[in-house]
Amino acid sequence: GIQVEQSPPDLILQEGANSTLRCNFSDSVNNLQWFHQNPWGQLINLFYIPSGTKQNGRLSATTVATERYSLLYISSSQTTDSGVYFCAVHVDSNYQLIWGAGTKLIIKP
Amino acid sequence: ETGVTQTPRHLVMGMTNKKSLKCEQHLGHNAMYWYKQSAKKPLELMFVYNFKEQTENNSVPSRFSPECPNSSHLFLHLHTLQPEDSALYLCASSQRTRGNTIYFGEGSWLTVV
Repeated sequence: GIQVEQSPPDLILQEGANSTLRCNFSDSVNNLQWFHQNPWGQLINLFYIPSGTKQNGRLSATTVATERYSLLYISSSQTTDSGVYFCAVHVDSNYQLIWGAGTKLIIKP
Repeated sequence: ETGVTQTPRHLVMGMTNKKSLKCEQHLGHNAMYWYKQSAKKPLELMFVYNFKEQTENNSVPSRFSPECPNSSHLFLHLHTLQPEDSALYLCASSQRTRGNTIYFGEGSWLTVV
């Protein structure tokens, strides 16, 4: 089945720094989503981005479907950005999302 | 606030207890899901309901019993669980015709003692 790999697995940054998180997938996908899970467990959908680029405030994401990767950019990091960032893909019309293992981000004040 | 509400947020239960997790979505979605997230493991899809009909059951043990009385409500009934079932249980919903963007509840932290 399709493999979803995220890198880096862990990232520690100072407040104000910029970061790039990567998601590689091994086969064609119907869509890709980025999520943020805060330290209390809440998963928030950040982007639904099967291709192209989207921006939402300090966050932006780019998916290059032909090359099978997506990038999540976080600029001017804040401590509230800490948590785990997941990407997940759909491979066909069923309901299953295939999840990456996540990138754990810690932003230090 | 994502539009998906889970209760209780925290639950401690003995191995012989029966308890239920509840999920309600206010988004008008037609698909609802239960996920399990254990420490240091990827999210595991447990059950999927589409228009109240179960469409996926990922080999989940029978001690977990889902119930979907309508498109807005989803329950997970728990019976004779094991300590290894301790995990974060996440409910989610999506609307199939809107590209499957999925929205999660805040989760229910379950500890089995």
